[in-house]
Amino acid sequence: NAGVTQTPKFQVLKTGQSMTLQCAQDMNHNSMYWYRQDPGMGLRLIYYSASEGTTDKGEVPNGYNVSRLNKREFSLRLESAAPSQTSVYFCASSEMEGLTDTQYFGPGTRLTVL
Amino acid sequence: AQSVAQPEDQVNVAEGNPLTVKCTYSVSGNPYLFWYVQYPNRGLQFLLKYITGDNLVKGSYGFEAEFNKSQTSFHLKKPSALVSDSALYVCAVRDRRVDYKLSFGAGTTVTVRA
Repeated sequence: NAGVTQTPKFQVLKTGQSMTLQCAQDMNHNSMYWYRQDPGMGLRLIYYSASEGTTDKGEVPNGYNVSRLNKREFSLRLESAAPSQTSVYFCASSEMEGLTDTQYFGPGTRLTVL
Repeated sequence: AQSVAQPEDQVNVAEGNPLTVKCTYSVSGNPYLFWYVQYPNRGLQFLLKYITGDNLVKGSYGFEAEFNKSQTSFHLKKPSALVSDSALYVCAVRDRRVDYKLSFGAGTTVTVRA
């Protein structure tokens, strides 16, 4: 079991460029999440997908779009990158969208927007 | 609204000494509480969670946490710290009455010196 995998690990973009962050899980989990982590702040939820075919906005969705491609894969797209989107992005998954459910995280993508 | 506070940015302890990482929370209802650990350039790894029942929760790698409802705290403890415990520790909370996602603390960096 690889768990949650993310690609790429590192990326540098110029302002206005677009890119897609990829996430896949092999734990047969129903729910998947995208977070960003900024210095001195807790993780903030960007988007989540409670189950295949559904997506919902989190706390900080502006400037991002997501696609739940199938049960395994959940991608995050930046259409026009801005320096404020410089961050570390984490994907997570959980078996269910339950209040007690444990989320499992990928290794992260470190994104710099110049 | 729900929130988590980790009052110490850094904790330094000597190997073999007890380790405590503090976490306080604020929720409208009763909480579900989680601790994660993050090693450099890695994603968050689940340590333990409090759902209900016994206020003392035991988790991975010898860690435990005590839920204290009157003080709204969920401090993480380890009786004897190891150098390999050096990492970022992140507390998270979820309000049982709110069908929403986890709120994360900013994290406490633990350094265990040999």
